[in-house]
Amino acid sequence: KQEVTQIPAALSVPEGENLVLNCSFTDSAIYNLQWFRQDPGKGLTSLLLIQSSQREQTSGRLNASLDKSSGRSTLYIAASQPGDSATYLCAVTGGGKLIFGQGTELSVKP
Amino acid sequence: EAGVAQSPRYKIIEKRQSVAFWCNPISGHATLYWYQQILGQGPKLLIQFQNNGVVDDSQLPKDRFSAERLKGVDSTLKIQPAKLEDSAVYLCASSLSGLSSYNEQFFGPGTRLTVL
Repeated sequence: KQEVTQIPAALSVPEGENLVLNCSFTDSAIYNLQWFRQDPGKGLTSLLLIQSSQREQTSGRLNASLDKSSGRSTLYIAASQPGDSATYLCAVTGGGKLIFGQGTELSVKP
Repeated sequence: EAGVAQSPRYKIIEKRQSVAFWCNPISGHATLYWYQQILGQGPKLLIQFQNNGVVDDSQLPKDRFSAERLKGVDSTLKIQPAKLEDSAVYLCASSLSGLSSYNEQFFGPGTRLTVL
């Protein structure tokens, strides 16, 4: 049974710092891995999707990497801003299903 | 393009009462999903529809939860009777098709349910 774990559960950083969020999964037979952002009271917004054949994806200040063999993914956020404050969720897909981690709550202080 | 719509946004009920949530997916999306997100956890899939047929309801507590998508468009999720542990955000998502290779899912804003 696939399990997805995210560490840390919460993170607080000062504005301008570069930071890394971690995601690990137990079964490497995934179709792809996706990072989402969730703002309080809102739904999920897809940030980056990495197909299983890819190693990383970039969008603006965000870079996500995938290492299937070790069952790990990281989301790197460069030059963090207060507007980046949100909960970040990773999810893996297999058999058409999304299986989520519990999320990392990020707070960027001005 | 309009996104996934859900209503109501918030609902507070007493335990043992019933409640229903509504979802309207993005136009043309064949697959519709209902997720339950308990505070501090990631969303968990409750049920997946392909058009008006159920693809996966293995994690739906069928003794109290039911869902339908009669015309293959909008969907309702019902809880009867509600328990305290049903307090959560209920997210609806849709995708073009979810049967073969993965299609990106688009999420609605969710309905926050509080059971007292």
